[in-house]
Amino acid sequence: DAGVTQSPTHLIKTRGQQVTLRCSPISGHKSVSWYQQVLGQGPQFIFQYYEKEERGRGNFPDRFSARQFPNYSSELNVNALLLGDSALYLCASSFWDTSSGNTIYFGEGSWLTVV
Amino acid sequence: AQTVTQSQPEMSVQEAETVTLSCTYDTSESNYYLFWYKQPPSRQMILVIRQEAYKQQNATENRFSVNFQKAAKSFSLKISDSQLGDTAMYFCASLSNSGYALNFGKGTSLLVTP
Repeated sequence: DAGVTQSPTHLIKTRGQQVTLRCSPISGHKSVSWYQQVLGQGPQFIFQYYEKEERGRGNFPDRFSARQFPNYSSELNVNALLLGDSALYLCASSFWDTSSGNTIYFGEGSWLTVV
Repeated sequence: AQTVTQSQPEMSVQEAETVTLSCTYDTSESNYYLFWYKQPPSRQMILVIRQEAYKQQNATENRFSVNFQKAAKSFSLKISDSQLGDTAMYFCASLSNSGYALNFGKGTSLLVTP
């Protein structure tokens, strides 16, 4: 089975531009979350979507938005890019059941460099 | 809010030896999940092991095991028979049962030497 897939893997954008990052969860997983990881730090939570509804939002400005599609894939959009948005953006797919509880898996990430 | 603290920024261990990475957390929840993730230079976040707080038995996955001390809010990771491929950043993370966001520590950089 395929794991969490993200695209693109690397991209370079100019300040002020907009970027869209994509994520496909593990088959059967209905929840997708987005995290930002800047160099030298742990990931910071941006959004979680479950069944196409936003369940939670981290402390990020309104320039960050996301959505989830009927097939449970997701997009993260960042407008008006700043140099400080340069980071690894991680997508996580999660699944919960009564026997094993909550398990969260990450994709390989999308490296965004803003110049 | 949950906070996670990893007090060891860097650690080193020789191949085949055992190493323990420390993690403490703070939560007011009665049930929650704890995770250890490994992040090699490729930067993919790989799930190493997870623990449900209501389960008293410590989780084990092959060479990886945890020492979960709920009262002390401690969740350390023990790596036995360390291998060169274990070299990576290790992140401890918590997730409340009613929550949706993983809270990560700052990570511990582990170097396994020949």
